[in-house]
Amino acid sequence: SAVISQKPSRDICQRGTSLTIQCQVDSQVTMMFWYRQQPGQSLTLIATANQGSEATYESGFVIDKFPISRPNLTFSTLTVSNMSPEDSSIYLCSVVGLAGGSYEQYFGPGTRLTVT
Amino acid sequence: GIQVEQSPPDLILQEGANSTLRCNFSDSVNNLQWFHQNPWGQLINLFYIPSGTKQNGRLSATTVATERYSLLYISSSQTTDSGVYFCAVADIYNTDKLIFGTGTRLQVFP
Repeated sequence: SAVISQKPSRDICQRGTSLTIQCQVDSQVTMMFWYRQQPGQSLTLIATANQGSEATYESGFVIDKFPISRPNLTFSTLTVSNMSPEDSSIYLCSVVGLAGGSYEQYFGPGTRLTVT
Repeated sequence: GIQVEQSPPDLILQEGANSTLRCNFSDSVNNLQWFHQNPWGQLINLFYIPSGTKQNGRLSATTVATERYSLLYISSSQTTDSGVYFCAVADIYNTDKLIFGTGTRLQVFP
């Protein structure tokens, strides 16, 4: 399985500001994803981070609010823009390990964001 | 889109007890995974099991794809098993896009 790290692990931000979250993988992976977990809720897919092209967003998520970059096969960033208290969540990146041809997905440790 | 339901929503056990968690899904799947989210928020992979049965120590899982459900068995539970257990699936058209169930919150007391 891949080793996935995220920075920062947690942050407290003021409303109206932006935060960029980094996701680093120790090996090249084809697929990287970003999820959001609101307090007490399940995980929801935000977007697929595509290397060399624009991210693919799920219904309810837009590029202006959650711009994503993926400059290479081991790194991606998610920015949460113009934050409001409703953006307080855990943000997780994930990758498909492709071990043995399976689609098993592995998650980073998450970034716990609080917006005041 | 595919719907994923988990039951029970909450489970309280005494150490040493056994339990069964259930995941029902509404359509055919190419991917089904069980995760344990510990109190620090980390998602730990338990099983990748789109079909069949697997065992890992005190945990085992069975997926009956034709009947659209999966079961996670925890035997001889320990306090470290506490946390939230998620089932996540991907349908046959979107193999990498995991849809998460609502989770089962497990509390194990000594």
